[in-house]
Amino acid sequence: QKEVEQNSGPLSVPEGAIASLNCTYSDRVSQSFFWYRQYSGKSPELIMSIYSNGDKEDGRFTAQLNKASQYVSLLIRDSQPSDSATYLCAVGGDGGATNKLIFGTGTLLAVQP
Amino acid sequence: EPEVTQTPSHQVTQMGQEVILRCVPISNHLYFYWYRQILGQKVEFLVSFYNNEISEKSEIFDDQFSVERPDGSNFTLKIRSTKLEDSAMYFCASGQGSETQYFGPGTRLLVL
Repeated sequence: QKEVEQNSGPLSVPEGAIASLNCTYSDRVSQSFFWYRQYSGKSPELIMSIYSNGDKEDGRFTAQLNKASQYVSLLIRDSQPSDSATYLCAVGGDGGATNKLIFGTGTLLAVQP
Repeated sequence: EPEVTQTPSHQVTQMGQEVILRCVPISNHLYFYWYRQILGQKVEFLVSFYNNEISEKSEIFDDQFSVERPDGSNFTLKIRSTKLEDSAMYFCASGQGSETQYFGPGTRLLVL
């Protein structure tokens, strides 16, 4: 059974600080990794995708992947109150026929003004 | 910016009734999915659909569930005889390739 683990939080950070969200996954052959943001009662919104080891930056967001450690993280710089949401880590397939996403439980981020 | 749409936004039904949830994926996407999220729980994969057939389904997707792409734009999920435990948010997603998936706003299904 493939698993994706996240700390459920809440992670509380002051406005303007860096928020660091972490995720581990169990299936070593996974090739694609995603971060989604979900506001309460809404659908997951794609923030970042990452496929290779290392860092990938997009605006205030940086995704980091370490396949050897089976670890994915998301850094949010200059956190804003509007960033307060649940952040879902999702792991895709092995690049073959399987393309379903396995989601973690999500980490609730609270940015304090 | 194109987006996935879903109707209805809310559906209330009696146990044992059939429901059909509708989705319009992004127009040039080829891969279609249904996920569900029970209140307070993880988003769970139900089924993926490509080239007019199911490519993968989860254990949740039993004989009570079916999917269809009746025309070039719609993608539907049918639950034949709803149970109380089918109450959840149902999300449709689509992707141009087999990886990145974009989610619709969801249908909140309540089975009484």
